[in-house]
Amino acid sequence: AQSVTQLDSQVPVFEEAPVELRCNYSSSVSVYLFWYVQYPNQGLQLLLKYLSGSTLVKGINGFEAEFNKSQTSFHLRKPSVHISDTAEYFCAVIWTDSWGKLQFGAGTQVVVTP
Amino acid sequence: GAGVSQSPRYKVAKRGQDVALRCDPISGHVSLFWYQQALGQGPEFLTYFQNEAQLDKSGLPSDRFFAERPEGSVSTLKIQRTQQEDSAVYLCASSLRSGERTEAFFGQGTRLTVV
Repeated sequence: AQSVTQLDSQVPVFEEAPVELRCNYSSSVSVYLFWYVQYPNQGLQLLLKYLSGSTLVKGINGFEAEFNKSQTSFHLRKPSVHISDTAEYFCAVIWTDSWGKLQFGAGTQVVVTP
Repeated sequence: GAGVSQSPRYKVAKRGQDVALRCDPISGHVSLFWYQQALGQGPEFLTYFQNEAQLDKSGLPSDRFFAERPEGSVSTLKIQRTQQEDSAVYLCASSLRSGERTEAFFGQGTRLTVV
Protein backbone atom coordinates (compact mmCIF):
# COMPACT_ATOMS: atom_id res chain seq x y z
CA ALA A 1 0.00 0.00 0.00
CA GLN A 2 1.12 3.53 -0.71
CA SER A 3 2.12 5.53 2.35
CA VAL A 4 3.46 8.89 3.46
CA THR A 5 5.65 8.94 6.55
CA GLN A 6 6.60 11.93 8.64
CA LEU A 7 9.30 10.69 10.93
CA ASP A 8 8.91 13.24 13.70
CA SER A 9 5.61 13.88 15.45
CA GLN A 10 6.94 16.94 17.27
CA VAL A 11 9.96 19.16 16.74
CA PRO A 12 10.90 21.73 19.38
CA VAL A 13 13.16 24.49 18.09
CA PHE A 14 14.51 27.78 19.37
CA GLU A 15 13.71 31.03 17.61
CA GLU A 16 16.20 31.89 14.82
CA ALA A 17 17.49 28.30 14.73
CA PRO A 18 17.16 26.13 11.60
CA VAL A 19 14.56 23.39 11.32
CA GLU A 20 14.18 20.33 9.10
CA LEU A 21 11.03 18.26 8.86
CA ARG A 22 11.38 14.86 7.29
CA CYS A 23 8.99 13.20 4.86
CA ASN A 24 9.29 9.90 3.03
CA TYR A 25 6.85 8.24 0.69
CA SER A 26 6.55 4.61 -0.25
CA SER A 27 6.66 4.42 -4.00
CA SER A 28 9.13 5.35 -6.69
CA VAL A 29 6.47 5.92 -9.34
CA SER A 30 5.74 9.42 -10.47
CA VAL A 31 4.30 11.55 -7.73
CA TYR A 32 3.54 15.15 -6.94
CA LEU A 33 4.68 16.36 -3.54
CA PHE A 34 3.36 19.06 -1.24
CA TRP A 35 3.90 20.62 2.16
CA TYR A 36 0.98 22.25 3.95
CA VAL A 37 0.87 24.23 7.19
CA GLN A 38 -2.06 24.27 9.59
CA TYR A 39 -2.39 26.91 12.29
CA PRO A 40 -4.71 26.20 15.25
CA ASN A 41 -8.38 26.04 14.24
CA GLN A 42 -7.51 26.84 10.65
CA GLY A 43 -7.58 25.01 7.37
CA LEU A 44 -4.54 23.95 5.42
CA GLN A 45 -2.34 26.43 3.61
CA LEU A 46 0.02 25.37 0.84
CA LEU A 47 3.68 26.08 1.63
CA LEU A 48 5.24 24.65 -1.50
CA LYS A 49 4.92 21.93 -4.10
CA TYR A 50 7.03 19.81 -6.39
CA LEU A 51 5.47 18.92 -9.74
CA SER A 52 8.53 18.61 -11.98
CA GLY A 53 11.81 20.32 -12.83
CA SER A 54 14.29 21.54 -10.25
CA THR A 55 14.46 19.30 -7.22
CA LEU A 56 14.91 22.27 -4.88
CA VAL A 57 11.62 24.00 -4.38
CA LYS A 58 11.16 27.34 -2.65
CA GLY A 59 7.91 28.25 -0.96
CA ILE A 60 6.30 30.93 1.13
CA ASN A 61 7.58 32.22 4.48
CA GLY A 62 11.18 31.26 3.73
CA PHE A 63 10.60 27.51 3.52
CA GLU A 64 12.21 25.24 0.96
CA ALA A 65 12.17 21.52 0.25
CA GLU A 66 14.27 19.11 -1.74
CA PHE A 67 12.89 16.23 -3.76
CA ASN A 68 15.12 13.16 -3.69
CA LYS A 69 13.77 10.49 -6.00
CA SER A 70 16.28 7.79 -5.10
CA GLN A 71 15.51 8.14 -1.40
CA THR A 72 11.79 8.85 -1.98
CA SER A 73 12.05 11.84 0.33
CA PHE A 74 10.82 15.43 0.36
CA HIS A 75 12.26 17.11 3.44
CA LEU A 76 11.23 20.62 4.43
CA ARG A 77 13.73 23.16 5.75
CA LYS A 78 13.89 26.70 7.04
CA PRO A 79 17.22 28.31 7.96
CA SER A 80 15.85 30.54 10.72
CA VAL A 81 12.45 30.09 12.34
CA HIS A 82 10.18 32.65 13.97
CA ILE A 83 7.71 32.26 16.80
CA SER A 84 4.97 32.58 14.20
CA ASP A 85 6.15 29.35 12.54
CA THR A 86 4.64 27.38 15.44
CA ALA A 87 2.10 25.18 13.69
CA GLU A 88 1.39 21.68 12.38
CA TYR A 89 3.09 20.77 9.12
CA PHE A 90 1.80 18.09 6.76
CA CYS A 91 3.59 16.40 3.92
CA ALA A 92 1.25 15.17 1.19
CA VAL A 93 1.49 13.17 -2.01
CA ILE A 94 -0.65 12.98 -5.11
CA TRP A 95 -0.15 9.69 -6.87
CA THR A 96 -0.61 9.84 -10.62
CA ASP A 97 -4.05 9.03 -11.98
CA SER A 98 -5.70 9.73 -8.66
CA TRP A 99 -7.89 12.73 -9.57
CA GLY A 100 -5.61 14.98 -7.60
CA LYS A 101 -6.58 13.57 -4.22
CA LEU A 102 -3.99 14.14 -1.55
CA GLN A 103 -2.58 11.49 0.77
CA PHE A 104 -1.22 13.11 3.91
CA GLY A 105 1.35 12.14 6.48
CA ALA A 106 0.44 12.21 10.16
CA GLY A 107 1.89 15.66 10.64
CA THR A 108 4.78 17.26 12.55
CA GLN A 109 4.06 19.76 15.27
CA VAL A 110 6.68 22.51 15.30
CA VAL A 111 6.97 24.44 18.55
CA VAL A 112 9.20 27.52 18.41
CA THR A 113 10.34 28.98 21.71
CA PRO A 114 12.27 32.18 22.44
CA GLY B 1 -16.38 34.85 -1.41
CA ALA B 2 -12.69 34.67 -2.12
CA GLY B 3 -12.02 31.35 -0.42
CA VAL B 4 -13.62 28.01 0.40
CA SER B 5 -16.30 28.47 3.02
CA GLN B 6 -17.56 25.74 5.33
CA SER B 7 -20.48 25.81 7.71
CA PRO B 8 -21.07 25.35 10.51
CA ARG B 9 -17.59 25.82 11.97
CA TYR B 10 -18.51 23.74 15.00
CA LYS B 11 -21.22 21.13 15.43
CA VAL B 12 -22.10 19.11 18.51
CA ALA B 13 -24.37 16.15 17.82
CA LYS B 14 -25.87 13.57 20.08
CA ARG B 15 -25.06 10.01 19.16
CA GLY B 16 -27.60 8.77 16.65
CA GLN B 17 -28.41 12.23 15.29
CA ASP B 18 -28.08 13.07 11.59
CA VAL B 19 -25.84 15.98 10.59
CA ALA B 20 -25.24 17.94 7.38
CA LEU B 21 -22.03 19.83 6.69
CA ARG B 22 -21.88 22.42 3.95
CA CYS B 23 -19.04 23.46 1.65
CA ASP B 24 -19.06 26.50 -0.63
CA PRO B 25 -16.10 26.12 -3.00
CA ILE B 26 -14.36 28.93 -4.83
CA SER B 27 -16.59 30.05 -7.68
CA GLY B 28 -15.83 28.24 -10.92
CA HIS B 29 -13.79 25.48 -9.35
CA VAL B 30 -14.42 22.16 -11.02
CA SER B 31 -12.98 19.80 -8.43
CA LEU B 32 -14.18 19.40 -4.87
CA PHE B 33 -12.77 17.10 -2.21
CA TRP B 34 -13.86 16.14 1.31
CA TYR B 35 -11.34 15.02 3.91
CA GLN B 36 -11.71 13.80 7.49
CA GLN B 37 -9.09 14.80 10.07
CA ALA B 38 -9.20 12.93 13.36
CA LEU B 39 -7.51 14.48 16.37
CA GLY B 40 -3.73 14.37 16.09
CA GLN B 41 -3.76 12.87 12.61
CA GLY B 42 -3.41 14.00 9.03
CA PRO B 43 -6.45 14.51 6.86
CA GLU B 44 -7.81 11.44 5.10
CA PHE B 45 -9.61 11.46 1.78
CA LEU B 46 -13.34 10.83 1.81
CA THR B 47 -14.74 11.66 -1.61
CA TYR B 48 -14.19 13.62 -4.84
CA PHE B 49 -16.51 15.50 -7.20
CA GLN B 50 -15.79 16.75 -10.67
CA ASN B 51 -18.58 19.27 -11.22
CA GLU B 52 -21.72 17.42 -10.10
CA ALA B 53 -20.33 13.95 -10.71
CA GLN B 54 -19.05 12.00 -7.73
CA LEU B 55 -16.11 10.19 -9.30
CA ASP B 56 -14.53 8.69 -6.21
CA LYS B 57 -16.15 7.80 -2.90
CA SER B 58 -13.66 5.17 -1.88
CA GLY B 59 -12.78 6.96 1.36
CA LEU B 60 -16.26 7.13 2.85
CA PRO B 61 -15.97 5.00 6.01
CA SER B 62 -19.47 3.55 5.99
CA ASP B 63 -22.83 3.77 4.27
CA ARG B 64 -23.85 6.29 6.93
CA PHE B 65 -21.77 8.85 5.03
CA PHE B 66 -23.26 10.47 1.96
CA ALA B 67 -22.10 13.44 -0.11
CA GLU B 68 -23.70 15.38 -2.92
CA ARG B 69 -23.00 18.33 -5.19
CA PRO B 70 -26.19 18.55 -7.25
CA GLU B 71 -25.47 21.71 -9.24
CA GLY B 72 -21.71 21.43 -9.39
CA SER B 73 -21.05 24.14 -6.85
CA VAL B 74 -22.11 23.80 -3.19
CA SER B 75 -21.56 20.40 -1.64
CA THR B 76 -23.09 18.77 1.41
CA LEU B 77 -21.62 15.93 3.44
CA LYS B 78 -24.30 14.11 5.40
CA ILE B 79 -23.66 11.70 8.23
CA GLN B 80 -26.56 9.60 9.41
CA ARG B 81 -26.90 8.11 12.89
CA THR B 82 -23.66 9.70 14.10
CA GLN B 83 -21.28 7.66 16.24
CA GLN B 84 -18.52 8.83 18.56
CA GLU B 85 -15.88 7.70 16.10
CA ASP B 86 -17.26 10.26 13.62
CA SER B 87 -15.87 13.05 15.82
CA ALA B 88 -13.31 14.84 13.67
CA VAL B 89 -12.67 17.95 11.62
CA TYR B 90 -14.18 17.71 8.17
CA LEU B 91 -12.24 19.66 5.56
CA CYS B 92 -13.42 20.66 2.13
CA ALA B 93 -11.06 21.64 -0.69
CA SER B 94 -11.63 22.88 -4.21
CA SER B 95 -9.43 23.30 -7.25
CA LEU B 96 -9.88 25.08 -10.55
CA ARG B 97 -9.40 22.04 -12.75
CA SER B 98 -9.25 18.32 -12.35
CA GLY B 99 -5.96 16.49 -12.27
CA GLU B 100 -2.85 16.20 -10.21
CA ARG B 101 -1.13 19.46 -11.03
CA THR B 102 -3.83 21.83 -9.82
CA GLU B 103 -3.53 23.44 -6.39
CA ALA B 104 -6.28 22.63 -3.93
CA PHE B 105 -7.58 25.38 -1.63
CA PHE B 106 -8.91 24.33 1.76
CA GLY B 107 -11.70 25.67 3.90
CA GLN B 108 -11.33 26.14 7.64
CA GLY B 109 -13.20 22.94 8.35
CA THR B 110 -16.15 21.88 10.44
CA ARG B 111 -15.31 20.40 13.83
CA LEU B 112 -17.87 17.71 14.62
CA THR B 113 -18.14 16.41 18.17
CA VAL B 114 -20.46 13.49 18.81
CA VAL B 115 -21.50 13.13 22.45
